[in-house]
Amino acid sequence: GEDVEQSLFLSVREGDSSVINCTYTDSSSTYLYWYKQEPGAGLQLLTYIFSNMDMKQDQRLTVLLNKKDKHLSLRIADTQTGDSAIYFCAERSGGYNKLIFGAGTRLAVHP
Amino acid sequence: NAGVMQNPRHLVRRRGQEARLRCSPMKGHSHVYWYRQLPEEGLKFMVYLQKENIIDESGMPKERFSAEFPKEGPSILRIQQVVRGDSAAYFCASSPGTDNSPLHFGNGTRLTVT
Repeated sequence: GEDVEQSLFLSVREGDSSVINCTYTDSSSTYLYWYKQEPGAGLQLLTYIFSNMDMKQDQRLTVLLNKKDKHLSLRIADTQTGDSAIYFCAERSGGYNKLIFGAGTRLAVHP
Repeated sequence: NAGVMQNPRHLVRRRGQEARLRCSPMKGHSHVYWYRQLPEEGLKFMVYLQKENIIDESGMPKERFSAEFPKEGPSILRIQQVVRGDSAAYFCASSPGTDNSPLHFGNGTRLTVT
């Protein structure tokens, strides 16, 4: 069945780069997403990538997609304390937005 | 230019009561999705609706849960006879249609069943 997996926790020093990894199982995924959730808040769309792309860059964010290995990563350059949050990877394989989410990676940024 | 609006933000119900969660999609969006987030877990799809139609309810529990998106007014997720296991954050999201537009989420309703 469909499944999305992420490591649960990542701790980085302020100013360093963060890399959050995600693996998925559905080879027919069309879009893959990264959402950010701050405490008590909803999900904020950070970026997304179409499955025929390998990389997408948006300011401090870089998304890499290895379709062969079904591996997605999110790199945050120059990580700041405001980046502390839970980051969710999600895949979409159908014709509409029935997304499959990972359990989320909690990013902690320390001085 | 309001985003997806959900209310209430927090809802406390005793076991056996009914919970009604409301969602107003972004302006111009006619497609609504409901997701549930249990503590320390990711979001799980529940139901996908268009105006007056349920398109996919494969993630809805078979009993006690229902959803609607009437021609006028917000989408409603209704949980009858709530149990403690229904305690979760319920998120609504909307999109303009079945194109490639990503979902925009509301801030959620946190339901606590005592």
